[in-house]
Amino acid sequence: DVKVTQSSRYLVKRTGEKVFLECVQDMDHENMFWYRQDPGLGLRLIYFSYDVKMKEKGDIPEGYSVSREKKERFSLILESASTNQTSMYLCASSFRRVTLAEYSTDTQYFGPGTRLTVL
Amino acid sequence: AQRVTQPEKLLSVFKGAPVELKCNYSYSGSPELFWYVQYSRQRLQLLLRHISRESIKGFTADLNKGETSFHLKKPFAQEEDSAMYYCALRLTSWGKLQFGAGTQVVVTP
Repeated sequence: DVKVTQSSRYLVKRTGEKVFLECVQDMDHENMFWYRQDPGLGLRLIYFSYDVKMKEKGDIPEGYSVSREKKERFSLILESASTNQTSMYLCASSFRRVTLAEYSTDTQYFGPGTRLTVL
Repeated sequence: AQRVTQPEKLLSVFKGAPVELKCNYSYSGSPELFWYVQYSRQRLQLLLRHISRESIKGFTADLNKGETSFHLKKPFAQEEDSAMYYCALRLTSWGKLQFGAGTQVVVTP
């Protein structure tokens, strides 16, 4: 069974604090993703990583940074938390598909989510 | 720009009635589309992908390139189908997905 875990289920922080959200996967997946989930907006990609130390900006990277020092771990960092970053944060991981024939291999598996409230 | 549109925020149906969730996309390449589902207090998970042409939990979805649609259908809704459903479009060779805003389905007895 694929397991993606996130360090906290609920987190309450104050404006200006530095916040770390951790995600760990145990399936040796190359790809890891951070999304935020907001009602009416769906899932929006913040950052993704396709290998250790490699990262790419998603659709809404402003105010966030990431770190991937080990293959199994992908961290999302809010350098200075603001109230508009109050949201549900979802981590996901997947294999990196090489050919279309491997279409079933790159399913994204999601963690349980971290509900972050910034006061 | 690539985009996925789910026009219904909320869909309320009676048990046993047909249900159809709409999804339209805008993409210049060859599209790959998915439906993800999130049941209450559970993780988001893949329901089905167009390329495999499967029926999962009684749901089917057909990719219509002419209408740029990938609507999700089930002929007889069950209470356990109540969930949030997201349509997603694969954008890159890395597997990056663009998600729609989601449709909340409520099946009432």
